[in-house]
Amino acid sequence: ETGVTQTPRHLVMGMTNKKSLKCEQHLGHNAMYWYKQSAKKPLELMFVYSLEERVENNSVPSRFSPECPNSSHLFLHLHTLQPEDSALYLCASSQGTTPTDTQYFGPGTRLTVL
Amino acid sequence: LAKTTQPISMDSYEGQEVNITCSHNNIATNDYITWYQQFPSQGPRFIIQGYKTKVTNEVASLFIPADRKSSTLSLPRVSLSDTAVYYCLVGLNTGGFKTIFGAGTRLFVKA
Repeated sequence: ETGVTQTPRHLVMGMTNKKSLKCEQHLGHNAMYWYKQSAKKPLELMFVYSLEERVENNSVPSRFSPECPNSSHLFLHLHTLQPEDSALYLCASSQGTTPTDTQYFGPGTRLTVL
Repeated sequence: LAKTTQPISMDSYEGQEVNITCSHNNIATNDYITWYQQFPSQGPRFIIQGYKTKVTNEVASLFIPADRKSSTLSLPRVSLSDTAVYYCLVGLNTGGFKTIFGAGTRLFVKA
């Protein structure tokens, strides 16, 4: 499935680095999401964008900075991360944000912070 | 928000039918029930969604009793490739801003 793509698929970075994760959806959806999934933990919703406006930030540390330049692209800028930020970062999109709007997920970026 | 309860894990053998039940005692009148499947190191994938009675698609069936306080995901004739985590989401937990994935049910299918 190539509806939602994420790059890179794997990323190793030091705590002082700055990097960005990219997500692109080819489904014509209006909402995009960032999730974090740590080892053996449930998915945690980080950010939600609807029509390029950020509508939800679940108390995510400021070292994570999202950007949504248009409805097809979503970025997650990373800086001065901690080892506990190592996780699988998943991007998703949906047509809208109602309970019946199915979310389509990308393959994720496996991030390791040294 | 409707809280959901699922078994932590289940084991099955190839070719068997697997039923995973989710309890959601405080489901609201307008709440939908949605199931996702997640393979290791991949994002979740939508399986099925329903409101009441029974819903069937090419992958699974969803049974919802009249009181809607629980639902059962039924996977017919599972194969090894159905080994995954299955999540039940209810109501506001399925919609954009408030999407909450619980721990899910880890299904192991054995040969």
